[in-house]
Amino acid sequence: NAGVMQNPRHLVRRRGQEARLRCSPMKGHSHVYWYRQLPEEGLKFMVYLQKENIIDESGMPKERFSAEFPKEGPSILRIQQVVRGDSAAYFCASSPASGRVSYEQYFGPGTRLTVT
Amino acid sequence: DAKTTQPNSMESNEEEPVHLPCNHSTISGTDYIHWYRQLPSQGPEYVIHGLTSNVNNRMASLAIAEDRKSSTLILHRATLRDAAVYYCILKFGPYGGATNKLIFGTGTLLAVQP
Repeated sequence: NAGVMQNPRHLVRRRGQEARLRCSPMKGHSHVYWYRQLPEEGLKFMVYLQKENIIDESGMPKERFSAEFPKEGPSILRIQQVVRGDSAAYFCASSPASGRVSYEQYFGPGTRLTVT
Repeated sequence: DAKTTQPNSMESNEEEPVHLPCNHSTISGTDYIHWYRQLPSQGPEYVIHGLTSNVNNRMASLAIAEDRKSSTLILHRATLRDAAVYYCILKFGPYGGATNKLIFGTGTLLAVQP
């Protein structure tokens, strides 16, 4: 059973370009979460999605960042007009559908974004 | 969200038990105690979780105080591969919704000496 997959693993963008990060959840999981880890800082929640729905985006920056989880295909975290401060590791996690008590989240290996 | 307090760092010797403490004095009755760890350059990894009773799995044991204001993650025999940052997180249960997010603190950096 494949784990959470993220691609690309490393992404380099120049300031002003767009970055697209992809996440394929574990088989059977319909909940996806995105977290960001800035250099030398802790992990911060960004957004929680279910298929075709954003459930909680309280951690998303107000501008330039968006996320989606379409009915078919991976979840996408999109950063428009990247700036140097966006350089970080972006982790995706997934969990099964509601019904299980306080279920765990399974994390992918992350995408390391570098903005030059 | 209820806050947790962990030591910044701990050291252990290989093949010895490790007890990682976590204080959560403001825990509410519906908060579950979760532990995750993050090995260097990797994504976080679920370790264990519990509500009131002590829990065991193949990775670790979780001992929860009777008043639930503290808990201890126990690695029975530390290996070099257990060197990581360990996070103690309170998460509202039992159902989904906006409270599914994990709030990571600074965690405990565990060093394992050969």
